[in-house]
Amino acid sequence: SQQGEEDPQALSIQEGENATMNCSYKTSINNLQWYRQNSGRGLVHLILIRSNEREKHSGRLRVTLDTSKKSSSLLITASRAADTASYFCATAVYNNNDMRFGAGTRLTVKP
Amino acid sequence: NAGVTQTPKFRVLKTGQSMTLLCAQDMNHEYMYWYRQDPGMGLRLIHYSVGEGTTAKGEVPDGYNVSRLKKQNFLLGLESAAPSQTSVYFCASSYSPGTSKNEQFFGPGTRLTVL
Repeated sequence: SQQGEEDPQALSIQEGENATMNCSYKTSINNLQWYRQNSGRGLVHLILIRSNEREKHSGRLRVTLDTSKKSSSLLITASRAADTASYFCATAVYNNNDMRFGAGTRLTVKP
Repeated sequence: NAGVTQTPKFRVLKTGQSMTLLCAQDMNHEYMYWYRQDPGMGLRLIHYSVGEGTTAKGEVPDGYNVSRLKKQNFLLGLESAAPSQTSVYFCASSYSPGTSKNEQFFGPGTRLTVL
């Protein structure tokens, strides 16, 4: 079964607005990662946050992790039309060699 | 650096036919993965490999076999294709998950249709 679940399933905003996506997971993790997938393409890694980290930044991306609530959020600030894509969280579980992906949030940024 | 490449890009099979999907990476990664992605769902892990000559089952392994004879290649085989295996297949590779470089690099995908 999938480990992570993203919320919302779809999000539509205007260019310049901020976009927030959430991810919840079920078991203890080693780290959590966010990926982007443009239509018809493979996934591209965005950011990784470790279980002992609470917040991480990369350019216009901000990721938070709350291990007590087993949840993470991805914030994209000042969104652009080029940010239109599906965003997935993936969790790496302790003592496990694989990662589990959520079903994704489909973000549409209107120009 | 080509990264992760997959062949073929598209394929149509009839029920019962067999085929092999090839994944190649030139980043000297130890770990390689095969996923399938179905509409409205995230990626589900089929099989993975932690090094040359080793493979392991993922979340949805039934109906698939894999081989990792060379470090840079990871093959996914369908012995007797079924319509339920219609999907987009992604290969990925990474350094060991236990290291600080845990991100996975994905190929462009193979769109498979089984009639």
